[in-house]
Order: sequence, then C-alpha cells, then structure tokens
Amino acid sequence: GAVVSQHPSWVICKSGTSVKIECRSLDFQATTMFWYRQFPKQSLMLMATSNEGSKATYEQGVEKDKFLINHASLTLSTLTVTSAHPEDSSFYICSAPGGGPSGNTIYFGEGSWLTVV
Amino acid sequence: GESVGLHLPTLSVQEGDNSIINCAYSNSASDYFIWYKQESGKGPQFIIDIRSNMDKRQGQRVTVLLNKTVKHLSLQIAATQPGDSAVYFCAERGAAGNKLTFGGGTRVLVKP
Repeated sequence: GAVVSQHPSWVICKSGTSVKIECRSLDFQATTMFWYRQFPKQSLMLMATSNEGSKATYEQGVEKDKFLINHASLTLSTLTVTSAHPEDSSFYICSAPGGGPSGNTIYFGEGSWLTVV
Repeated sequence: GESVGLHLPTLSVQEGDNSIINCAYSNSASDYFIWYKQESGKGPQFIIDIRSNMDKRQGQRVTVLLNKTVKHLSLQIAATQPGDSAVYFCAERGAAGNKLTFGGGTRVLVKP
C-alpha cells in the first residue's frame, strides 16, 4: 500500500482562487518532505523542500509567495497555490524520505492534478 | 549545475525479452541512486535503489548496475511484461540531504 498519500488527487479551481494540496507520510515520520511539479511528458522538477517546524527552502525560480508550504507536523506538509492562474495547471507530487525497510527509502505520493480554469 | 540524463527517450521491447535502461549522471559526490517507474497520471513508484559503495543490486526481475568510473547507471528488467510499460526515471541524491535530481525519463513500450 501507499506510504505517502496526497489529497486531493485532482482539483479544478477558478483563476484567482487558492488551492491546498496535502501530503501525508503513513506509518513513518518525515521531518523533510519535497514538492515537485511535472508537466506532461517531462521529468519532475523540484520546487521546494518542506521542513517540519521551519521555513521551506525554495528552488531557484520558484515563487515562495505563490507556492506556500507549511509542514505543521511530522506527517503532514501542505502546498497552497495562491491566486492560481491557468499556467499553474500541472501535476504536483510530493515525496518523503524515511520509509521502507531501511527507513531511508524515498517514496512519492500519487500526485495531484491541478487544473486552473 | 549537476544533472542526471538518459540516453534513450523511448525503448520498445518485445514481451518476454530483457530491457535495459541507461542513465548518465554528472555529480561524482552523489551517494545514492534510485530508479522509479511512473505510469500515466500517477506518481513515481519506487523500483530499486543502490548506494555508491555498491556496483550491483538485484530485486525481483530488476537489476541496477552502477559504474562510478564512467558515472553510469542502468536498470535491467528481466522478461519484460506488458505491465512494465511506463516511463522510467533515474534519480540521484547528493552527498547532503535527501534532495533528488531526476533524469529526463525513458518510456518503455512492451510489444505483445
């Protein structure tokens, strides 16, 4: 079964509104989680590193005020896309290290499809 | 910056044959490598990993080979099945932290 869970799996929102995506680690604690964005037929692009209890670390070119990340607990990180626009439509995926038999495997969530209309 | 890249964007293989997916990496400090499988519309699924102090690791029907001399990583899938059709990504982790850098991906198409 899944060790990292994302919700919602897909969401449609109106342009200008905000949408929140949740990432949960199941059965293990994750002090760090990662958020990726993926466009069709392309690889995963790391957006930011979510750190429990502190500010997220954003990759170059990623707007921190637009993509708000909160890591409120050891099992939950949220990504909020604020004032969404059609160009924000994408597949958003989170990952969390610390799962698996060794405790170090990095697992990914099932992803969240965002469509901004 | 450092990057991970793939040689072949698409690989067609006959059902039952073995598949080999290649990946080149450039960060000699990377200490951990992972192969993921991604089916359409889904998140990446962990397949197998290998640490830099190893050169081979086997799983169920899959083998990962690491050649640090030429910074090359490969994934071998034995007796490829239709369910193996997907995009495969290699990823490397730098020496510090769990941040992964992904390659461009290879699509594997299994022909019946």
